[in-house]
Amino acid sequence: EVQLVESGGGLVQPGGSLRLSCTASGFTFSAYEMNWVRRAPGKGLEWLSYISSGGNDIYYADSVKGRFTVSRDNAKDSLYLQMNTLRADDTAVYYCAREMHGYSSDIWGQGTTVTVSS
Amino acid sequence: SYVLTQPPSVSVAPGKTATITCGGYNIGSKSVQWYQQKPGQAPILIIYYDSDRPSGIPERFSGSNSGNTATLTISRVEAGDEADYYCQVWHITNDRVFGGGTKLTVL
Repeated sequence: EVQLVESGGGLVQPGGSLRLSCTASGFTFSAYEMNWVRRAPGKGLEWLSYISSGGNDIYYADSVKGRFTVSRDNAKDSLYLQMNTLRADDTAVYYCAREMHGYSSDIWGQGTTVTVSS
Repeated sequence: SYVLTQPPSVSVAPGKTATITCGGYNIGSKSVQWYQQKPGQAPILIIYYDSDRPSGIPERFSGSNSGNTATLTISRVEAGDEADYYCQVWHITNDRVFGGGTKLTVL
């Protein structure tokens, strides 16, 4: 079964850090581009970051540029999101997603919840 | 930055047709994706390349794109279609931009 599973979410204080992981199974992870997307409470989907299949091309939304870092380890079939200097408005469910035709995301993880609060 | 505008909400009676729009400058020149998200669940891709459906998505879901507006049409709406719907495009800055989302209510 093609699957993505996120982990690493939790409660963190403002200014703190957290590292999210996304583990892939059922497909050749190294062949696919990947994205991180979040949904904050009461808000819509927000794209955060893209990484190419080999990890050489990386892009970020302005809202997280300079604070978040995406990376991947194709040998471990894993995608990561290092989140630093967290703020209350980073509170959200974070999803990893596989990119396919026409920049669409055809496979999504179930999400991991990040809560930034003192 | 590129902005996609969706109506916050759309209501439709069961069996009728729902139309959800996604406005953006010259969006007709871009490839549009549509996602469905139900409460507590991950988003599901329902339309890509403006009008193509992934396997398993009912033919009741269709898409079109021209000029400054892309449209998702849901025919013969069912109670189970009640969800949030999002359009999404790739922008030249390499951002993957989402619309604000539309809550579909089945009356």
